[in-house]
Parts: sequence; structure tokens; C-alpha cells
Amino acid sequence: NAGVTQTPKFQVLKTGQSMTLQCAQDMNHEYMSWYRQDPGMGLRLIHYSVGAGITDQGEVPNGYNVSRSTTEDFPLRLLSAAPSQTSVYFCASSYLGQGGITEAFFGQGTRLTVV
Amino acid sequence: GDSVTQMEGPVTLSEEAFLTINCTYTATGYPSLFWYVQYPGEGLQLLLKATKADDKGSNKGFEATYRKETTSFHLEKGSVQVSDSAVYFCALSGGYAGGTSYGKLTFGQGTILTVHP
Repeated sequence: NAGVTQTPKFQVLKTGQSMTLQCAQDMNHEYMSWYRQDPGMGLRLIHYSVGAGITDQGEVPNGYNVSRSTTEDFPLRLLSAAPSQTSVYFCASSYLGQGGITEAFFGQGTRLTVV
Repeated sequence: GDSVTQMEGPVTLSEEAFLTINCTYTATGYPSLFWYVQYPGEGLQLLLKATKADDKGSNKGFEATYRKETTSFHLEKGSVQVSDSAVYFCALSGGYAGGTSYGKLTFGQGTILTVHP
């Protein structure tokens, strides 16, 4: 009963480095999303996916790439890390319920620091 | 676009005090409304939800009523406990009549609640 699993939990990067944040869900949910959490700003949507092979941009997509080759996995790639990307990143999965209503299930988060 | 505004925080209360955290929203169509809670070092958990006007969501003593006329979804609890200390997020999903939000949520800025014994 793992739910949504994110790895790593903590990461320190140097400016300009690249890395991939992993996200996997075992609930067969069709929708997956990435958010970043910054103090005083709540969570902001980076990218989302409505199914394998289909992704789209959210509110703050610059500097990030995603892909969705399987229903289970939705990795987030930082192409060239910048200090402005220091944040806590959350992955979420959702299903289409009755009446078009979805409920999101969140991972534990990845705390990223870019120095 | 859609937006959610939460009351300015943080909120500090004594145990057994009454809690209100205000939340108002702007959205087109018919959004669903949620309260999520984040305990220290953890991810977000759904606390309660309401999917249409006048619905009341409730869980663990917390309640919130979907008020379309005032575009509000205020969170209340009659008697808070130390274990309720956390960050609370109001969020909305959808707002598209007959459509779907594809799981995308719009969040308020979060309210830090600290309850002292």
C-alpha cells in the first residue's frame, strides 16, 4: 500500500547541475502532477499528465521537463539547476471520480537545495 | 484564472480553543473545494472536501461549508488539540462545467497553526 513514492527525500545540487526527481504511484491513477512549495506561496503546479505519453505545462514550467512513459512513473528533470529552484517538490496522483471530481494523493516530498 | 486566498497567518491558539481559517476563491464554473493538512516533514493529506454549493465537508472534528454566494470555504473546529498543529491549505479543482480539471489543484498560500497546551 505504497501510494505515491518520491525519491530522493533530500538533495543538494550545485548551480548548473542536472538531476531527476523520481515519482511512482501504484494506484493506477491516470492523472499525475508536480508541484513546488515555497514559503508564503502555497503549492504551484509545474507540469501535469493526463495519461501515459501525454504531458502539459502548469503555472511554473520553466527549467523543468517531464515525461510519462508508463502509468506508474512521472519523473521531473531539472535541466540546469538554479538557486531559484530551491524548494520542496511534491508529486501527486489523481483519479477521475464521479461527476468529474478528482482527489489528489501526495508523495512525501523532495527537499531540494541549489547552491 | 482560478485563485484561492487564505487568511494571513500564522495562527496560534491554546488547546480547546475555537479555530477558524478563512478561505475565499475565484473560479469559473463549478469547482470542487478541498482542505489539505501538512504535518511537519510530511506530504499533504486530504482533510475534507465539498463538491457542490451548500455541501459540508467534515473530518476529525473539522468542518467547512461550500458557500457559493460568498465564494468561501472556511475551515472550523470547535476545540483544537496540540496534535492539530500543522499547515492547512485550501485548494480548488475544476470549475469547468461538465468537464474535468485533470487532477490539477489551485492552492492558497497555507496557514500555519500552532496549538499550545
